[in-house]
Amino acid sequence: QQQVKQSPQSLIVQKGGISIINCAYENTAFDYFPWYQQFPGKGPALLIAIRPDVSEKKEGRFTISFNKSAKQFSLHIMDSQPGDSATYFCAASTGGYQKVTFGTGTKLQVIP
Amino acid sequence: GAVVSQHPSRVICKSGTSVKIECRSLDFQATTMFWYRQFPKQSLMLMATSNEGSKATYEQGVEKDKFLINHASLTLSTLTVTSAHPEDSSFYICSATGLAGDYEQYFGPGTRLTVT
Repeated sequence: QQQVKQSPQSLIVQKGGISIINCAYENTAFDYFPWYQQFPGKGPALLIAIRPDVSEKKEGRFTISFNKSAKQFSLHIMDSQPGDSATYFCAASTGGYQKVTFGTGTKLQVIP
Repeated sequence: GAVVSQHPSRVICKSGTSVKIECRSLDFQATTMFWYRQFPKQSLMLMATSNEGSKATYEQGVEKDKFLINHASLTLSTLTVTSAHPEDSSFYICSATGLAGDYEQYFGPGTRLTVT
């Protein structure tokens, strides 16, 4: 019940295209859903996060869509750039200073 | 703000020796620090949660006598891998949380441990 399922495992998108990564969870106690970006050999960095009281959050080219009833959320990267090539992790937590459960990761490659 | 550092960034040690990894919150006081390990091309797996001044809480399957965690101050946590073996080789990442009004976890840059 603590799992966060993420797909696809890898994704190749052309420059300027839209990258979409999907996640699903089971634990209804989760109330905070961050997305992290990780470059090789580096720690993950927060990209964008959402709470379940909103269905969408947009920050620049990055948008999270959240479907509480389906227990699914997704990351959309608009106008994808080669510099976006990285591994993306969705995650979930019960909020506060609680531990974060990570998805399995999606390796994104944006080709020119 | 919200910068977390780790030291060292890379370490190579011989099998049977111990190695200590430091995690520091540079510009905020960390209520809680977390330690993760990450194998190549895999996700982050939480090892333990530590709060300043109290014993760490270890995840199931993590040997607390092998992975010693000390959270002596609000800005420093250490992970000591005791009697390291080649299978302990991994990327160890810490995170810290506790910035006032912000529950976000801020991650360190990671430490690559290689045990020969």
